[in-house]
Amino acid sequence: NAGVTQTPKFRILKIGQSMTLQCAQDMNHNYMYWYRQDPGMGLKLIYYSVGAGITDKGEVPNGYNVSRSTTEDFPLRLELAAPSQTSVYFCASRWRAEAFFGQGTRLTVV
Amino acid sequence: GDSVTQMEGPVTLSEEAFLTINCTYTATGYPSLFWYVQYPGEGLQLLLKATKADDKGSNKGFEATYRKETTSFHLEKGSVQVSDSAVYFCALSEPRERYGGSQGNLIFGKGTKLSVKP
Repeated sequence: NAGVTQTPKFRILKIGQSMTLQCAQDMNHNYMYWYRQDPGMGLKLIYYSVGAGITDKGEVPNGYNVSRSTTEDFPLRLELAAPSQTSVYFCASRWRAEAFFGQGTRLTVV
Repeated sequence: GDSVTQMEGPVTLSEEAFLTINCTYTATGYPSLFWYVQYPGEGLQLLLKATKADDKGSNKGFEATYRKETTSFHLEKGSVQVSDSAVYFCALSEPRERYGGSQGNLIFGKGTKLSVKP
């Protein structure tokens, strides 16, 4: 019963590098989300998807891209990492009123 | 736009003390309201929810009542334990009707860190 799985758990990137944060869910949920959590700032929505092939921007999409080729997977791409992207990233899926979160990816850009 | 405001922490209590964490919201229409909890090193978990006015959500001794007249959803627990130490997030879901029948996105407050001392 995996739920929402995020990889990696930790990553250090140099400025200008690229990486993909992986997110997979096995609950067949249509709705999926990417949030970033900065200290004392709560969660901010980066991108979301309402189903395979459909994505849309959230509150803070700049510097990120997503794709949703299958119901299960919702990867988040950072093309040119910047120190401002240092944060903890959470992926979530949703069924009706309840959201299910992964354990997060702690990303540091140096 | 819609927003959630919750009391700032950190909140430090002794074991068996009474807990209140205030949460107010701004929304058009009738959102659903939630409390999520984040234990150290983990993702968020749903603690309780209420989907309409005057509903009371409850779980693990925590309660919150959806008050439309005061646009509030305060979290309470009568006797906290050390194991309740965590960060608590109030959240709302934009009204279903705005999306033609589909669920809206979740909007979170900034979180309140609770530390319970033995």
